[in-house]
Amino acid sequence: EIVLTQSPGTLSLSPGERATLSCRASQSVGRNFVAWYQQKPGQAPRLLIYGASRRATGIPDKFSGSGSGTDFTLTINRLEPEDFAVYYCQQYADAPLTFGGGTKVEVK
Amino acid sequence: EVQLVESGGTLVQPGGSLRLCCTASGFTFSNLWMSWFRQAPGKGLEWVANIKQDGTDIHYVDSVRDRFTISRDNAKNSLYLQMDSLRVEDTALYYCAGGGGWLVDSWGQGTLVTVSS
Repeated sequence: EIVLTQSPGTLSLSPGERATLSCRASQSVGRNFVAWYQQKPGQAPRLLIYGASRRATGIPDKFSGSGSGTDFTLTINRLEPEDFAVYYCQQYADAPLTFGGGTKVEVK
Repeated sequence: EVQLVESGGTLVQPGGSLRLCCTASGFTFSNLWMSWFRQAPGKGLEWVANIKQDGTDIHYVDSVRDRFTISRDNAKNSLYLQMDSLRVEDTALYYCAGGGGWLVDSWGQGTLVTVSS
């Protein structure tokens, strides 16, 4: 099983700042099949990034993903009020599909 | 518009059974791998099971293997999760989701399963 570790657990930032979220895998993720999801309270997750760096349909370019192998990063530029949420990385290369524990981006 | 609507969640006693249903619309259901995920109250996301377009390839997380059964009926645009021998730790919001391959890009709003005596 591929274990994903996200850091930090909570990120306290002000609107307009940049958020950098990390996701580290216990072993190399095949074909860099890593996705990032955003989840707001009371809502289902929303796909932001897939294949480590490809934006999903309708996702603004303020969201970007990078990384390969075992280290992946989600960057959110110019934080806006609607960006404050919990973000999860997920690997979908091997069963069981696994998620990181999440990073909460909160208003400082 | 892609729409996934889950149903069947309720309060059930430990050891009991429940069948969840997910009805799809707005896309060609038979073209997609489909999955069930869950989220315990205040916790993170967990994948539960997935099933190939024609039902010939199925995978489960270890904690539900031999207790849960995923299935689909493409003629009815429906996905199912039969849950037997339910445990308190199965309490969660259960999401139906689908996408190309194992990547999920469409989610339902979830149905709540509570296992408690």
